[in-house]
Amino acid sequence: DAGVTQSPTHLIKTRGQHVTLRCSPISGHKSVSWYQQVLGQGPQFIFQYYEKEERGRGNFPDRFSARQFPNYSSELNVNALLLGDSALYLCASSAGPNSPLHFGNGTRLTVT
Amino acid sequence: AQSVTQLDSQVPVFEEAPVELRCNYSSSVSVYLFWYVQYPNQGLQLLLKYLSGSTLVKGINGFEAEFNKSQTSFHLRKPSVHISDTAEYFCAVIMDTGRRALTFGSGTRLQVQP
Repeated sequence: DAGVTQSPTHLIKTRGQHVTLRCSPISGHKSVSWYQQVLGQGPQFIFQYYEKEERGRGNFPDRFSARQFPNYSSELNVNALLLGDSALYLCASSAGPNSPLHFGNGTRLTVT
Repeated sequence: AQSVTQLDSQVPVFEEAPVELRCNYSSSVSVYLFWYVQYPNQGLQLLLKYLSGSTLVKGINGFEAEFNKSQTSFHLRKPSVHISDTAEYFCAVIMDTGRRALTFGSGTRLQVQP
């Protein structure tokens, strides 16, 4: 079975641009979470979605938004990119909001 | 607020030697505790978790961890490491309420030398 898949794997953007990152959960998983991992640090929670509804939001500005589609895939959008948004963005899926998380390999975003 | 502290940013160790990676947490409520491993250019893989019950938890790849409530610690141990264990290890916690969001420590880089 395929694991959590994220696209693209790498991305380079310029300050002020916007970006959309995509995540496909493991088949049958209905919950998707997003984490930001800055180089040298642990991942930080951004969002959790379950059954297409936002279940949790971390301490990130409104420039960050996300949504979950009827097929349970998800998008993370970041507007007005800053240099500090450069990071590895990890998506994790789970069968439910209280089930173990399975992580994808992430999208490496570089903002120049 | 909850927080996780991994005091050692790097731990060098020789192959076949034992290792302990330290993790302390702070929380005013009950917690669930996890250890994840991250290999280069990959996502996170769950090593083991403590939800309730026995305080000694065994995980994959020969790792184990012990939950110590009085010392608010959840140290990871392995009696004999291999070169392939070289990776970044993260301790994480979830509060036993509401939102299931992991709070991660800053990570410990385990470097196994031949």
